[in-house]
Amino acid sequence: DAKTTQPPSMDCAEGRAANLPCNHSTISGNEYVYWYRQIHSQGPQYIIHGLKNNETNEMASLIITEDRKSSTLILPHATLRDTAVYYCMRWWGNYQLIWGAGTKLIIKP
Amino acid sequence: NAGVTQTPKFRILKIGQSMTLQCAQDMNHNYMYWYRQDPGMGLKLIYYSVGAGITDKGEVPNGYNVSRSTTEDFPLRLELAAPSQTSVYFCATQLTGGGGYTFGSGTRLTVV
Repeated sequence: DAKTTQPPSMDCAEGRAANLPCNHSTISGNEYVYWYRQIHSQGPQYIIHGLKNNETNEMASLIITEDRKSSTLILPHATLRDTAVYYCMRWWGNYQLIWGAGTKLIIKP
Repeated sequence: NAGVTQTPKFRILKIGQSMTLQCAQDMNHNYMYWYRQDPGMGLKLIYYSVGAGITDKGEVPNGYNVSRSTTEDFPLRLELAAPSQTSVYFCATQLTGGGGYTFGSGTRLTVV
């Protein structure tokens, strides 16, 4: 049980913003939302995480709805190198991230 | 700046053989994890450690053993390899219980 729901695949044009949705409707108050990506069977790469507030770093922005039931990862100017599988997960401090199948994002030139 | 180093990168084992997958880190992270990833699937936690001398089972520990005698190393032992253990194995580290993970590049294991 991945406890999050993501679309299996998405396309985005190069240079555009890629918006990846994640549903976590049963999330509890102390659970964080984490995003990772995995490029072509390499080791996953941490992107960003958040609890309630929107977060931004050099890689991406994370927008969490006010009710915390869903979130969106935004890659502001997608490049071909952003083609990867993106994983959205919940984490509540028990050392175990539950990995689902993720969203396969394909950036098209 | 090595980060997380996994060896070997590839290995073919025969059924019943044993081997140790090595994971070494130079970031002084306390938390370390072993995951396996089957084709087209997400990662599943095998074992984890929150510090030297402390290990605990994850979601799929059967057929594996770990030890953590130092902060730097977290080897994963496969005893009596089975075809079901054919997978890609990733080691990860974490500075604290809430930070992002740093992953190694993986070990691709085939059991025939």
